Amino acid sequence: DIQMTQSPSSLSASVGDRVTITCRASQGISNYLAWYQQKPGKVPKLLIYGASTLQSGVPSRFSGSGSGTDFTLTISSLQPEDVATYYCQNYNNALLLTFGGGTKVEIK
Amino acid sequence: EVQLVESGGVVVQPGGSLRLSCAASGFTFADYTMHWVRQAPGKGLEWVSLITWDGGSTYYADSVKGRFTISRDNKKNSLYVQMNSLRTEDTALYYCAKGGGSIRTSFLFDNWGQGTLVTVSS
Repeated sequence: DIQMTQSPSSLSASVGDRVTITCRASQGISNYLAWYQQKPGKVPKLLIYGASTLQSGVPSRFSGSGSGTDFTLTISSLQPEDVATYYCQNYNNALLLTFGGGTKVEIK
Repeated sequence: EVQLVESGGVVVQPGGSLRLSCAASGFTFADYTMHWVRQAPGKGLEWVSLITWDGGSTYYADSVKGRFTISRDNKKNSLYVQMNSLRTEDTALYYCAKGGGSIRTSFLFDNWGQGTLVTVSS
């Protein structure tokens, strides 16, 4: 199995701060990496795919980067509506579809 | 607008069986790989199973292999999962999710239903 390790597991930041979440794959997955946002009590939403391509309608303050085993999700200026848990997901192989453990983002 | 509506979640005893359904609308259902993803209470996301557009290929997480069977009816725009030999650890909110629009993105989830809750308890 490919393990997806996210860090940190939670963070607290101020409105306007730059926030970075990392995701590490236990083996190379090229750029088959997606990021999802799940707001409290809500359904997950696709934010980014192909490691860096923004899904339609997602604010431009969100960005993704990385390839191979190391990936990052960045929120350039944290907003109150960004309070959520963020998950990375590897999708390079139908036999090995795995999510990271999640990163809970809160406002300080 | 894509809509995915799950149903069938109930309280069931360990060892029991259950069939979940997902009614799809707002897109050409027969063109897309479809998935089940679950989330245990207070926990993270876990992919469960996928079925390709024509039902020709199915894949399962190791945790459900041999117990769950995914299927689809493209004429009815519906996705199903038959869940047998249920365990307490299968307790979760089960989401139906649509795969992306290309071969490259079919294994990600670009639209999700609201989920249906399965509780396995004696």
